[in-house]
Amino acid sequence: DSGVTQTPKHLITATGQRVTLRCSPRSGDLSVYWYQQSLDQGLQFLIQYYNGEERAKGNILERFSAQQFPDLHSELNLSSLELGDSALYFCASSVSGVNEQFFGPGTRLTVL
Amino acid sequence: QQQVKQSPQSLIVQKGGISIINCAYENTAFDYFPWYQQFPGKGPALLIAIRPDVSEKKEGRFTISFNKSAKQFSLHIMDSQPGDSATYFCAALMDSNYQLIWGAGTKLIIKP
Repeated sequence: DSGVTQTPKHLITATGQRVTLRCSPRSGDLSVYWYQQSLDQGLQFLIQYYNGEERAKGNILERFSAQQFPDLHSELNLSSLELGDSALYFCASSVSGVNEQFFGPGTRLTVL
Repeated sequence: QQQVKQSPQSLIVQKGGISIINCAYENTAFDYFPWYQQFPGKGPALLIAIRPDVSEKKEGRFTISFNKSAKQFSLHIMDSQPGDSATYFCAALMDSNYQLIWGAGTKLIIKP
């Protein structure tokens, strides 16, 4: 158990809908990262927050947005969902951003 | 310049054999090179990491070999076991940039 929690574990929704994925980092970690992993694919970095501020942006679609709240938990919002958005979404946290990243168990999103 | 190239894409090794996965990078500013292990349905977990001031790091059956001049690093798994069957990702980080750059992953299968 990495100490990073993600909810929900599974999410099934329809095209065009909007969903919110939630992540709680390990106690003491200030940095949160979001990744997308499609079936048998590598990890696509989406976005990173550090202590509430956006720090780095990767291949995140305009339909996707994220934020980190004062209590350091983070949410990833996915809107106007398409079939191709079906994937595992991982959240990771680290102390500062230059340390080991600890991954949560992921949220499996299925768009029908 | 930001890429990390990982090979092979997949690897089958007999139990007891040595598994070798290679990564190459271009950006000499990278200064932290971790390897992550991911089992199906789970988030990646840090396996071993190295900084460029050493050429080799060993932790149990896992060894990172680092060749700074060739800009390559590799993971060696000695006495490979069926429980090592997983996907392995190499990555690279610049401390000043905070963003891990990930390899594409290697699916390792250890045959009993």
